[in-house]
Amino acid sequence: DTEVTQTPKHLVMGMTNKKSLKCEQHMGHRAMYWYKQKAKKPPELMFVYSYEKLSINESVPSRFSPECPNSSLLNLHLHALQPEDSALYLCASSPNTRQRNTEAFFGQGTRLTVV
Amino acid sequence: DAKTTQPPSMDCAEGRAANLPCNHSTISGNEYVYWYRQIHSQGPQYIIHGLKNNETNEMASLIITEDRKSSTLILPHATLRDTAVYYCTGGYNKLIFGAGTRLAVHP
Repeated sequence: DTEVTQTPKHLVMGMTNKKSLKCEQHMGHRAMYWYKQKAKKPPELMFVYSYEKLSINESVPSRFSPECPNSSLLNLHLHALQPEDSALYLCASSPNTRQRNTEAFFGQGTRLTVV
Repeated sequence: DAKTTQPPSMDCAEGRAANLPCNHSTISGNEYVYWYRQIHSQGPQYIIHGLKNNETNEMASLIITEDRKSSTLILPHATLRDTAVYYCTGGYNKLIFGAGTRLAVHP
């Protein structure tokens, strides 16, 4: 199984809502990533988890709160988002962050619309 | 992490080879070069990676210059399904994507 599964595929939320994005992989990978992608732009790194610990936060606003409850699961909790946060949110995993010679696997993303 | 530069767009006729260049002059000595592609509205897909030597797999070939400052991804027989945005990237513990090249394969 070389899949990274993201749910939901689409999400519409109001600015006062709280919602969560979920990402799951069963490849035994110990590095997991969140990216944000606006239309016609490249993916931008948000967070990196290594062995279930947050290792990189690319100065992301606190209204985005990541969580890695176990080695297979990565969540992104959303609260008080703005319309400009509407984007495709991508999750990825790789064996770990220490090996340089490994590829990353991406999920199909959650398309988020904030109204 | 290496900063990469790619042409914004390229065209290729179906069945012909597509050669996509990437400049990564700031890459460090033991940093791998990776290529990914993203077909519209899907997650990026890994294509190939290399360090110094040329590499080939079932999807593509990767040619890395001797000084490692640039590389070329070769799709030997492009098909319409190869229409996508192609990203080259390097990085130790995180993948940082540049603007990429939008490849259009036409009949």
